[in-house]
Amino acid sequence: QKEVEQNSGPLSVPEGAIASLNCTYSDRGSQSFFWYRQYSGKSPELIMSIYSNGDKEDGRFTAQLNKASQYVSLLIRDSQPSDSATYLCAREANTGNQFYFGTGTSLTVIP
Amino acid sequence: SAVISQKPSRDICQRGTSLTIQCQVDSQVTMMFWYRQQPGQSLTLIATANQGSEATYESGFVIDKFPISRPNLTFSTLTVSNMSPEDSSIYLCSVEERSGANVLTFGAGSRLTVL
Repeated sequence: QKEVEQNSGPLSVPEGAIASLNCTYSDRGSQSFFWYRQYSGKSPELIMSIYSNGDKEDGRFTAQLNKASQYVSLLIRDSQPSDSATYLCAREANTGNQFYFGTGTSLTVIP
Repeated sequence: SAVISQKPSRDICQRGTSLTIQCQVDSQVTMMFWYRQQPGQSLTLIATANQGSEATYESGFVIDKFPISRPNLTFSTLTVSNMSPEDSSIYLCSVEERSGANVLTFGAGSRLTVL
């Protein structure tokens, strides 16, 4: 919906590795981007938001935004089995404040 | 962050019936949204629930099928009308909080199964 694309995966990484999740969007006017995590049977929960080009770090998570390339990514360092979930990329519309989500990437961290 | 209560949490419905989902927030919020998450799928925005006026629907969703009420800044309802098995889904209420940064928070969802 509203053209937020993600690699649906599934993505599997060994415990302790870096997981890299990618997202592209088509609306060049988009300014605000978000990564949500959704465990099976649960509601999505916010991991990070990013508004400016470059990197934003929060603990083991780093979000990267490149507006020129219309690309957002999430890196998870030292991946843990508890990180196994579906990761949803979202953008906020310029007008109306609606949030549009990508298709999600399923991540499995193998112990 | 806001605490969102949704009910029912789940229900099994018969084809052709309608069901109303309620969403209660513990604080006043400007923006409330309704999403649908079909099995194995991502979140699809149904509509923005506007306080005191008609909801704003996304492409592919219509008021006759998904009437929405928003009588105040803490409460909204979504009705799924004349249900068919294709309406079997999780319906999620969400609010946008503007405490420094815009954040979308979700309720626990209402899982509907239509037989």
